[in-house]
Amino acid sequence: DIQMTQSPVSLSASVGDRVTITCRASQSISSYLNWYQQKPGTAPKLLIYSTSNLQSGVPSRFSGSGSGTDFSLTISSLQPEDFATYHCQQSYSHPATFGGGTKVEIK
Amino acid sequence: QVQLQESGPGLVKPSQTLSLTCTVSGDSITRSHYYWTWIRQPPGKGLEWIGNINYSGTTHYNPSLKSRVTTSVDASKNQFSLKLSSVTAADTAVYYCARTTISFDYWGQGTLVAVSS
Repeated sequence: DIQMTQSPVSLSASVGDRVTITCRASQSISSYLNWYQQKPGTAPKLLIYSTSNLQSGVPSRFSGSGSGTDFSLTISSLQPEDFATYHCQQSYSHPATFGGGTKVEIK
Repeated sequence: QVQLQESGPGLVKPSQTLSLTCTVSGDSITRSHYYWTWIRQPPGKGLEWIGNINYSGTTHYNPSLKSRVTTSVDASKNQFSLKLSSVTAADTAVYYCARTTISFDYWGQGTLVAVSS
């Protein structure tokens, strides 16, 4: 199985801050990397697919980059509704695997 | 608008079989380029991919669960289902169903299944 490692596990930030979350794969996954946002008690929501493609309806302050084994999700200006847990996921091979999640909290 | 809804018992006894159904609306489960996926999340923990199935019955399962998992499709009801046998407390989780292309683009709201006697 491909292991996905996210960092940091959690972070505290203020509204308006630029936030970057990283995700590392245990082997190359080309650009088969997706990002999800999950708020407490709700299902994950797709933000970005195939490394850098914004899902329809997702604000442009979210962006993704990377290739091979190293990827990142950036929120350019954190908004109150962005406080949540973010998960990366590889779709390069079965079984699909997720990172452990990054919780973004209010400073 | 595509919607998915999980249904099934919220409590299962140890050693029994967990059975869940996902009803899809706003899309056809018979579209050939989709897989239909089950994912679970134990309380306070991360997401675990269980497996998927497409309309023609092609399946992929997580090796860690493969011996206990069965999935099926009922095109007449636009539903797909999960069976997980010989459950233990470690199978207690919120179970999600999701539509799958290159990513999981639509999810059900999730259903909590507790394994307890």
